[in-house]
Amino acid sequence: AQSVSQHNHHVILSEAASLELGCNYSYGGTVNLFWYVQYPGQHLQLLLKYFSGDPLVKGIKGFEAEFIKSKFSFNLRKPSVQWSDTAEYFCAVSGGSYIPTFGRGTSLIVHP
Amino acid sequence: DAGVIQSPRHEVTEMGQEVTLRCKLISGHNSLFWYRQTMMRGLELLIYFNNNVPIDDSGMPEDRFSAKMPNASFSTLKIQPSEPRDSAVYFCASRGQATYEQYFGPGTRLTVT
Repeated sequence: AQSVSQHNHHVILSEAASLELGCNYSYGGTVNLFWYVQYPGQHLQLLLKYFSGDPLVKGIKGFEAEFIKSKFSFNLRKPSVQWSDTAEYFCAVSGGSYIPTFGRGTSLIVHP
Repeated sequence: DAGVIQSPRHEVTEMGQEVTLRCKLISGHNSLFWYRQTMMRGLELLIYFNNNVPIDDSGMPEDRFSAKMPNASFSTLKIQPSEPRDSAVYFCASRGQATYEQYFGPGTRLTVT
């Protein structure tokens, strides 16, 4: 069975600070990895995804994530956050069943 | 494309009443997921359909919950009878055959009093 762990439940930053949100998964085979963002009162939207190839994936709005297979990690990063990045961030993994498993989410608050 | 469409967006009902949530998939997509989101439990997968067939319903809480996909583009999630602990935001998400990412609908905020 696959599982996802997001270590940071709540993160509070000031604008222009750098961001890194942790995501670790457990699954023995080939995986597809995702980060979704949920802005307040809205639905989940895809930020970026990894299927294969370059382990450094660039997404929308300046976000990127790095797949490190040896660490079973897929951490999300952004060099300089903005107030508009305030949202809930979800990491998800999809293995052989193609049914994604979502982490509990990380709430990010960015102070202007 | 209009994206995934859910209705109603908000539903307030009394305990014991039947609730029906509706979801229209993105045209051409063949997989449908129903999720429930609460503060306490996060995002939970309730049921997954592929090509109109329920593949995994292990997340459906109990017999009060049922989901159908009468055609390739439409699904319903029914709760009968509803209880206050069913209060949550219910999302559906669709996925295409050649892709792996899901497209979420705007959600239905259900309040059972």
